[in-house]
Amino acid sequence: SQTIHQWPATLVQPVGSPLSLECTVEGTSNPNLYWYRQAAGRGLQLLFYSVGIGQISSEVPQNLSASRPQDRQFILSSKKLLLSDSGFYLCAWSRGNGNQPQHFGDGTRLSIL
Amino acid sequence: SQQGEEDPQALSIQEGENATMNCSYKTSINNLQWYRQNSGRGLVHLILIRSNEREKHSGRLRVTLDTSKKSSSLLITASRAADTASYFCATDPLSNTGNQFYFGTGTSLTVIP
Repeated sequence: SQTIHQWPATLVQPVGSPLSLECTVEGTSNPNLYWYRQAAGRGLQLLFYSVGIGQISSEVPQNLSASRPQDRQFILSSKKLLLSDSGFYLCAWSRGNGNQPQHFGDGTRLSIL
Repeated sequence: SQQGEEDPQALSIQEGENATMNCSYKTSINNLQWYRQNSGRGLVHLILIRSNEREKHSGRLRVTLDTSKKSSSLLITASRAADTASYFCATDPLSNTGNQFYFGTGTSLTVIP
């Protein structure tokens, strides 16, 4: 069966510090991968998605970047965090052949001080 | 924005009652999906309905889709306290290039024992 791992579960970082959140998927190959941010009490905002190694699409301009160095690894990064980067970050995967559900990790709660 | 909107934003019912949540969206879609999120956790896929389908059932869940009105509804019958969660619809637009989804703002459901 497929599993998705996302870490860390919680993170407290000072303004201006770098960020690296990692997500890995097991049990499937060539998945579509996604990063979302969820503000408190709000819906999910799609940040990045990837349909293959090294292929990253950004949905919104922001202070963050994403990379996919391996087929089942998706990394969310920032060189300098802003207060507005606080939120709940969720990674998800889906199969790439259309009409497929997304499967989510348990998320990372990021607080910027 | 391609994001959908759920209605109502919050819903509180007694155990055993039915809960109905609605979702409206803006663009033509391949499919629409409903997800559930327990507080502080990732989302869990509930049901996917394709654009050529009008109704779908899964256990106590019933989803309808009206593409002419660009709307969908999720009905949970005989609700239980364990159904307390936030529920989101997500659309897969026809214009998709990478199987990305756009989530609504969610309905927070509270089932009172």
